[in-house]
This record gives sequence, structure tokens and C-alpha cells, in this order.
Amino acid sequence: GESVGLHLPTLSVQEGDNSIINCAYSNSASDYFIWYKQESGKGPQFIIDIRSNMDKRQGQRVTVLLNKTVKHLSLQIAATQPGDSAVYFCAENMSSGTYKYIFGTGTRLKVLA
Amino acid sequence: KAGVTQTPRYLIKTRGQQVTLSCSPISGHRSVSWYQQTPGQGLQFLFEYFSETQRNKGNFPGRFSGRQFSNSRSEMNVSTLELGDSALYLCASSSLITSGRAGGELFFGEGSRLTVL
Repeated sequence: GESVGLHLPTLSVQEGDNSIINCAYSNSASDYFIWYKQESGKGPQFIIDIRSNMDKRQGQRVTVLLNKTVKHLSLQIAATQPGDSAVYFCAENMSSGTYKYIFGTGTRLKVLA
Repeated sequence: KAGVTQTPRYLIKTRGQQVTLSCSPISGHRSVSWYQQTPGQGLQFLFEYFSETQRNKGNFPGRFSGRQFSNSRSEMNVSTLELGDSALYLCASSSLITSGRAGGELFFGEGSRLTVL
């Protein structure tokens, strides 16, 4: 069935190191992807998005890579900080013009001091 | 600009009862989506409304329903509550209508945490 999944449920990184969070998606027709960050007790917050006509997009300290050949998405966080500790979700949009998203199960990022 | 507001933030119900959750989107946003978040299943799509019309519905039983009002505010209702309905219910609003293309950022509220005893 259709799914968006994450390879690692928990990722621990040293403060200052780079973090890479991975995601696999199953629908080759998906056109749009978002990474969200969710801190404890809060709703998900938008980090970065990418459309299927791109393979890389950069933001502030974050980069999203899209590999359509293997249906893989990754989020890279440079110089990880304690404030980056949260759960990260990838989401896949499968319905053009609407906001029905399929979310991954999430990866918890722990930043070690 | 105020964000997405959800009420109540926390509530406790017993099995068999029903619950109504409310969501006020960001001013000017016409699309409202609802998601259920549980530790085991993550975020699962419930439904999406635009201009008072349900555009998409997730794979949930008919006990889950929703509606949107002319001012874009939305409510969702769960009837005959079950223990498994305990979850964080998240509302998200969006402003873009990307005709023929997917995508557009969802702005989430803080959620309504429902506990069913």
C-alpha cells in the first residue's frame, strides 16, 4: 500500500555534528514533500519543502534531498544544536490541489551535549 | 497574525461518549485539515475541508465526522468513543490552492489531546 516511512526511529548526534534523517516513500506519482519538526507538546512546524521537479533544496542549516529513482527523501541538518532535538516527520502529498498528506512515523533526534 | 487555534487543548471522556473539537484557522486560510496523532500510528489524515466542502477523507470509521463553517472555522466530532480514539487531534490550515499541482504548507495548531477512559 501507499506509505511513507523512516529508516531510524531514534537518531542521536553530538552537538555541532551534522544530522541526516532519511525517509522512503512508495508513490512515484507524489509531487510534493515536506519535512516537519515537532517539539514536545507542540504541533508540527514546517522546516522545508521540495517539489518532484527538484532534487535538492537548501534552507537555513537544512537541506532536503530527493532521489526519485529510489523514492528516497532525506533531511540534512548542519551543525546540529540542542534546539534541534525533536521528532521529525516527512510528508508526501498525493492528491493534486488538496492538502491530504501521508506522514511518516517520525524520527526522534537527540542532540548530545 | 494569529496561528491556528484549537479548543479544547485537553479533555477526558469515557467510552461511549461523544466529543466535538474546534479549530480556528489562520485568518484568510480557507482549507482546514484534521489529523490524528498516536504513538503507534503517527499522523494519520482524517479529512480536509475547503469552502465548507469536504474534499478528502481518510480511512476512519463513520464515527469520525467534521464540518466547516462559512468563516472557515472547523469542527470535528467523534461519536461513541472507544479507548483507541485516545490521541492528539491536530488541525492544520492552508492558504494556497495549487490547481493541478500538489503541495502547499500546512500550518498546524497545538492540538487537542483526547483521553478516553
